[in-house]
Amino acid sequence: DAGVIQSPRHEVTEMGQEVTLRCKPISGHNSLFWYRQTMMRGLELLIYFNNNVPIDDSGMPEDRFSAKMPNASFSTLKIQPSEPRDSAVYFCASSLIGTSNTGELFFGEGSRLTVL
Amino acid sequence: DAKTTQPNSMESNEEEPVHLPCNHSTISGTDYIHWYRQLPSQGPEYVIHGLTSNVNNRMASLAIAEDRKSSTLILHRATLRDAAVYYCILRGYGGATNKLIFGTGTLLAVQP
Repeated sequence: DAGVIQSPRHEVTEMGQEVTLRCKPISGHNSLFWYRQTMMRGLELLIYFNNNVPIDDSGMPEDRFSAKMPNASFSTLKIQPSEPRDSAVYFCASSLIGTSNTGELFFGEGSRLTVL
Repeated sequence: DAKTTQPNSMESNEEEPVHLPCNHSTISGTDYIHWYRQLPSQGPEYVIHGLTSNVNNRMASLAIAEDRKSSTLILHRATLRDAAVYYCILRGYGGATNKLIFGTGTLLAVQP
């Protein structure tokens, strides 16, 4: 299995531009998580999907951030408009959560976003 | 979410055992204890998890106190590749409690 695939790996953009980060979870996994990591705030959970439905989006910073999961094999995290304080590494993780396991999370390699 | 407390940093020598402590005095009966680690410039990776009994796998061992208010991750022979931030996380089971909330972790340095 290829693991969790994120794109782009690096993105440099200017303030005000729209940014879209993409994630392909591991096939067969039913849960997907978006995290953001900065030196100041560490790893923050932004949103968590189960069976393509958002379960908890309490970590989404503000209305500029939105996340979708149109099907089990694809998710996007969009920032519009982007601001310099959004600069961070964004991680996507997927997991198989069921009645007989606690669902180890598998993380992608991350998308490093720089907003100038 | 129940919180965990870990030392900010620890040092070890290569090929020696490492014991990484974690306190979780407010753990609930249904919380699992998970450990993840993050190598430099990589995403976090799963290490081990347990509920009540001690657990072993190819990467590490997890020793859980009888009252479950603390646990220790044991790396039996540290290598330079084990230098990472180690996170101890309490995780519920079911619904929104499936989410994993990371703290600040312990930065482990391994000296040759």
